[in-house]
Amino acid sequence: NAGVMQNPRHLVRRRGQEARLRCSPMKGHSHVYWYRQLPEEGLKFMVYLQKENIIDESGMPKERFSAEFPKEGPSILRIQQVVRGDSAAYFCASSPHDSYNEQFFGPGTRLTVL
Amino acid sequence: DAKTTQPPSMDCAEGRAANLPCNHSTISGNEYVYWYRQIHSQGPQYIIHGLKNNETNEMASLIITEDRKSSTLILPHATLRDTAVYYCIVRVGSNTGKLIFGQGTTLQVKP
Repeated sequence: NAGVMQNPRHLVRRRGQEARLRCSPMKGHSHVYWYRQLPEEGLKFMVYLQKENIIDESGMPKERFSAEFPKEGPSILRIQQVVRGDSAAYFCASSPHDSYNEQFFGPGTRLTVL
Repeated sequence: DAKTTQPPSMDCAEGRAANLPCNHSTISGNEYVYWYRQIHSQGPQYIIHGLKNNETNEMASLIITEDRKSSTLILPHATLRDTAVYYCIVRVGSNTGKLIFGQGTTLQVKP
């Protein structure tokens, strides 16, 4: 059973471009979470999704950021008009249907904004 | 979710037990204690969790005090590969499954 997959592993964008980060959860997992880790800082929750539904987006910046988890395909974290402050490691995690379960994290996507 | 307090750093000799403490004095009755670790630049890794009974798995043991205000993660035979930041997280397993990470404890295992 493959783990959580994230791609790309490294992404370089210029200011003003769009960044699209993909996360494929573990097989059988229907809950997806996105976290961000800024340089030299801790992990911060961004958004929690189930298939076709956003459950908790309390950690998402109000502008430029969006997330989806469609019925088919990976979860996507989209950042429009990136700025240098968006440079960070973005981690995706997944869990089975019961939210008491542990979360399994992917290797992360390192976004660098030039 | 309850706030947790952990020492910022600890050292441990290779092969010895590493005991990582965590205070969560405001924990509620329906909140679980979770431990995760993050080895440099990698995604966090789940270690163990518990409600009020002590727990053990292949990675570690979790000791929770009777009043549940504190807990200790025990790595019985630490290796160099256990060098990481260890996070103690308290949360309710409700319909919002987010984890709130604090600063954690940086464990340095030394040869």
